[in-house]
Amino acid sequence: DQQVKQNSPSLSVQEGRISILNCDYTNSMFDYFLWYKKYPAEGPTFLISISSIKDKNEDGRFTVFLNKSAKHLSLHIVPSQPGDSAVYFCAASASQGGSEKLVFGKGMKLTVNP
Amino acid sequence: GAVVSQHPSWVICKSGTSVKIECRSLDFQATTMFWYRQFPKQSLMLMATSNEGSKATYEQGVEKDKFLINHASLTLSTLTVTSAHPEDSSFYICSARGVSGNTIYFGEGSWLTVV
Repeated sequence: DQQVKQNSPSLSVQEGRISILNCDYTNSMFDYFLWYKKYPAEGPTFLISISSIKDKNEDGRFTVFLNKSAKHLSLHIVPSQPGDSAVYFCAASASQGGSEKLVFGKGMKLTVNP
Repeated sequence: GAVVSQHPSWVICKSGTSVKIECRSLDFQATTMFWYRQFPKQSLMLMATSNEGSKATYEQGVEKDKFLINHASLTLSTLTVTSAHPEDSSFYICSARGVSGNTIYFGEGSWLTVV
């Protein structure tokens, strides 16, 4: 059972436009969500996170929106740049005290065309 | 941001031998470290969770006798692939979480090729 879903495997946008990456989750116990960016043969790089007590978190060009009732979050990148081309992973965790594990989606490949 | 370093980045070993991968948190103390494995075009698969000074907790289906994890200090965890076989060839990634905060930072990953 896939608890974190990124249903679109890829997205292609023009430079300067907005990129919207979606993520759905099924486990209502998840209370912390993160987005990671990954280039081939490298480890994921943390981008932005959001706690379930918020519905929006913004950091520069990156904004994450959380809709708890729909169990849905999205990452907005605006304006998109060619350097943003990478695979983006959505991840979620449930605070149980101690070692919270991240559950990852399958990732979505973003291509930003010049 | 926090830095997690993995070594080696690339390793080739002969079938039947063992190989060790190190994961270090460079500017923070990592009470918990995680080891992942990624197959091509697939998501990260959590292998095990290690807490400093205690035994690692392995995910279902991961052989603990084959993938030995040691977390002897707050800045170092090691993954040893014992008696490696070609099917163990993969991209292994560690991550670490500090004493405070929920964010988990990842190492650069280690490519293991077993020939």
